[in-house]
Amino acid sequence: AQKITQTQPGMFVQEKEAVTLDCTYDTSDPSYGLFWYKQPSSGEMIFLIYQGSYDQQNATEGRYSLNFQKARKSANLVISASQLGDSAMYFCAMREAITGGGNKLTFGTGTQLKVEL
Amino acid sequence: DVKVTQSSRYLVKRTGEKVFLECVQDMDHENMFWYRQDPGLGLRLIYFSYDVKMKEKGDIPEGYSVSREKKERFSLILESASTNQTSMYLCASSPGKVYTDTQYFGPGTRLTVL
Repeated sequence: AQKITQTQPGMFVQEKEAVTLDCTYDTSDPSYGLFWYKQPSSGEMIFLIYQGSYDQQNATEGRYSLNFQKARKSANLVISASQLGDSAMYFCAMREAITGGGNKLTFGTGTQLKVEL
Repeated sequence: DVKVTQSSRYLVKRTGEKVFLECVQDMDHENMFWYRQDPGLGLRLIYFSYDVKMKEKGDIPEGYSVSREKKERFSLILESASTNQTSMYLCASSPGKVYTDTQYFGPGTRLTVL
């Protein structure tokens, strides 16, 4: 069974600083992928970034990047130049293939990030 | 833009009532999902559907059922609501084409069972 672990229930960062949100995973599947989602206080989940297990480079998307360390089974999200609007809950998730195509996700417990002035 | 809508943002029901949560997507997606979100537990998958009338259990299906009569609509049913089903319920959809599919989420329904 797949397992996602996020060990930081809450994090604080100062505006304009970089912050790393931790995510470790466990799977026996050699082909896997990891997603990061952001959930602001409004409740809607917003897709941020995806990393595949066979991707040669770490994923980047604007101010978001993934520090993917396969041997350590970690896929940490790095947010550079934090903004007040980055204050939200962040979830790491792992995909698993399903019948008919596509995937289902197993989520971690999330990290609540607060950006301070 | 993909749009996933849920019938209510907030819902209050009484123990024993039958509750329907509706979800509609407008992007012709094959796959649809229902999650519940509880503090400290993250999102947990209740049921998903990969085609009309096709459904599969997720990790916590007990006490729930689903219906998908049309491709764009996926309903979550609480046959007899209980207080431990008080939670935030999130619906999602995805194209269902490749294993790297992104799921798109609705705004959520916060259900309180009294």
